[in-house]
Amino acid sequence: GEDVEQSLFLSVREGDSSVINCTYTDSSSTYLYWYKQEPGAGLQLLTYIFSNMDMKQDQRLTVLLNKKDKHLSLRIADTQTGDSAIYFCAETSGGSYIPTFGRGTSLIVHP
Amino acid sequence: DVKVTQSSRYLVKRTGEKVFLECVQDMDHENMFWYRQDPGLGLRLIYFSYDVKMKEKGDIPEGYSVSREKKERFSLILESASTNQTSMYLCASSEDREPNYGYTFGSGTRLTVV
Repeated sequence: GEDVEQSLFLSVREGDSSVINCTYTDSSSTYLYWYKQEPGAGLQLLTYIFSNMDMKQDQRLTVLLNKKDKHLSLRIADTQTGDSAIYFCAETSGGSYIPTFGRGTSLIVHP
Repeated sequence: DVKVTQSSRYLVKRTGEKVFLECVQDMDHENMFWYRQDPGLGLRLIYFSYDVKMKEKGDIPEGYSVSREKKERFSLILESASTNQTSMYLCASSEDREPNYGYTFGSGTRLTVV
């Protein structure tokens, strides 16, 4: 089946930028999402991008989509300790509303 | 501003018990979903529903059933709980429309079966 891959961990210093990467295999992906999960909580939709877009910016968050390479990234500017969480990449395709999720990247922010 | 509510945050049940996990959404969403989340395995879809009284199996339906008698409520049932069903259970809902703005998740229920 289709697959979404993410690295498991990322460690950054407070104030630096974080870049979380995701690759997917489905060339017919229509929507791509980033979700954030804080400890002991459910997932929260952070942002999304349509497949006809290359970039989306929302305050400290920048999403870049490279359709040719099937690569999605989430950049968090001025990373804070409150950004420590697990970040999930997800995609939907083919008219399905059921996303394929990556396994999540644990972002650790240290002073 | 609560949108998807799961009735329990933590639950401890005995092996063989029948367990009900309840989920209610107040956004009038058509679609509702149950996932379980385990370390190293990510999110796995158990069951979903596109409409009242309608249900579809996800990737791991064995040992589970669901009920959707009203649009806002989607229940997950463990007919006879087993220790390998110890997990974090997440309910989600979404609109049935284009463009699709993704899921709204509940806070999760951490179930321990002893």
